[in-house]
Amino acid sequence: QLQLQESGSGPVKPSQTLSLTCAVSGGSISSGGYSWNWIRQPPGKGLEWIGSIYDDGTTDYNPSLKSRVTISVDRSKNQFALKLTSVTAADTAVYFCARRCTTASCFLGYCFDYWGQGTLVTVSS
Amino acid sequence: SYELTQPPSVSVSPGQTAGITCSGDALPKQYAYWYRQKPGQAPVLVIYKDTERPSGIPERFSGSSSGTTVTLTISGVQAEDEADYYCQSADNNGAYVVFGGGTKLTVL
Repeated sequence: QLQLQESGSGPVKPSQTLSLTCAVSGGSISSGGYSWNWIRQPPGKGLEWIGSIYDDGTTDYNPSLKSRVTISVDRSKNQFALKLTSVTAADTAVYFCARRCTTASCFLGYCFDYWGQGTLVTVSS
Repeated sequence: SYELTQPPSVSVSPGQTAGITCSGDALPKQYAYWYRQKPGQAPVLVIYKDTERPSGIPERFSGSSSGTTVTLTISGVQAEDEADYYCQSADNNGAYVVFGGGTKLTVL
């Protein structure tokens, strides 16, 4: 059973960089046919897709965050990471990592089929 | 930017039928997916490819699609169905993922 687990550096001050890692267990991040994603949810609000990294290392980002986001992968550690620069209080949220199938043969289509439990990141001075 | 529109809230009595809509211009071209989220938990997939139900999801959950609107229907609502529900899809090119704003289902 695939499992994803977020971890991070804890509270972040305004204007600093938020850094999170998602460790993948029970399967290989290099198995192919999937993208690895970050999604966030501000307290009491809805889900917002942040971005994806694909098998070949290419990325897609939410246009509203693109200038501040970098998603990378470390295949040797079977994990992927999120960096969000110049944070403000509006970036306070629960951050989820999730897997999404990317091939036409996916039985469940292009849904997010595995999620981490989420980690709350607070931006405060 | 592309958006999916959901009603903020829906209320039903136990045993009744709840319908939650999701509207978006790209829905005729892109499949929609529905997730249920309970407080403090990650979302769980309840409908995929507009109308299909994953294993383990009760038969009372169903999905339908018509033009630019997809609908999640919960028949015979139970107290345990009280949760937030989100639709998810992609823009016309499929590159950018989008979630609806979410609908809070209240079981009266």
